[in-house]
Amino acid sequence: DGGITQSPKYLFRKEGQNVTLSCEQNLNHDAMYWYRQDPGQGLRLIYYSQIVNDFQKGDIAEGYSVSREKKESFPLTVTSAQKNPTAFYLCASSEVSGSGANVLTFGAGSRLTVL
Amino acid sequence: AQKVTQAQTEISVVEKKDVTLDCVYETRDTTYYLFWYKQPPSGELVFLIRRNSFDEQNEISGRYSWNFQKSTSSFNFTITASQVVDSAVYFCALSEGYGSSNTGKLIFGQGTTLQVKP
Repeated sequence: DGGITQSPKYLFRKEGQNVTLSCEQNLNHDAMYWYRQDPGQGLRLIYYSQIVNDFQKGDIAEGYSVSREKKESFPLTVTSAQKNPTAFYLCASSEVSGSGANVLTFGAGSRLTVL
Repeated sequence: AQKVTQAQTEISVVEKKDVTLDCVYETRDTTYYLFWYKQPPSGELVFLIRRNSFDEQNEISGRYSWNFQKSTSSFNFTITASQVVDSAVYFCALSEGYGSSNTGKLIFGQGTTLQVKP
């Protein structure tokens, strides 16, 4: 079945460590997104990519980095510069539509806790 | 600025009651899309509906119905005869840009947690 796989599901990190969250899709979607979810704040966009080897910052990109070397993969690195990294991270993908009708397909998420 | 507001943080209802989740949006685009997603306890967001700004007809899908009113910038979601399995967080979202200005991004509301009690 086509879908998005995020790993790990749960991750614990010590302060000062970088961690990388994996996101893989087999939907042949061109666009991929990373959202952060905090209680009471909905989903906020971290980074997005509409094509391989290109990506743009979202609303809260500080302290995060991404790469898009393959169409199927869009890993997110949470760096030590991110001041409050404990959150639920959701990866999504979609076809690229010029109309704005993009339906995002989401992964099951990765929950990061900083100790 | 583009914004989605879901003023109801949490709603609790008894099973079989109807419940309406409110969504109000702000956009400078004349053409846009609105969405509703469901997030069950498993965490994965599930797509429910997409509505084009030109289409103001209400839509019904089983126990779910959506009321889109452009005049009040609202896109409300009603569950009829709610069930325990409807318990989840529900998000309303707005597309950013249209045509050449479309970024593919969705702007999400804060979400409404619905608890349906037996």
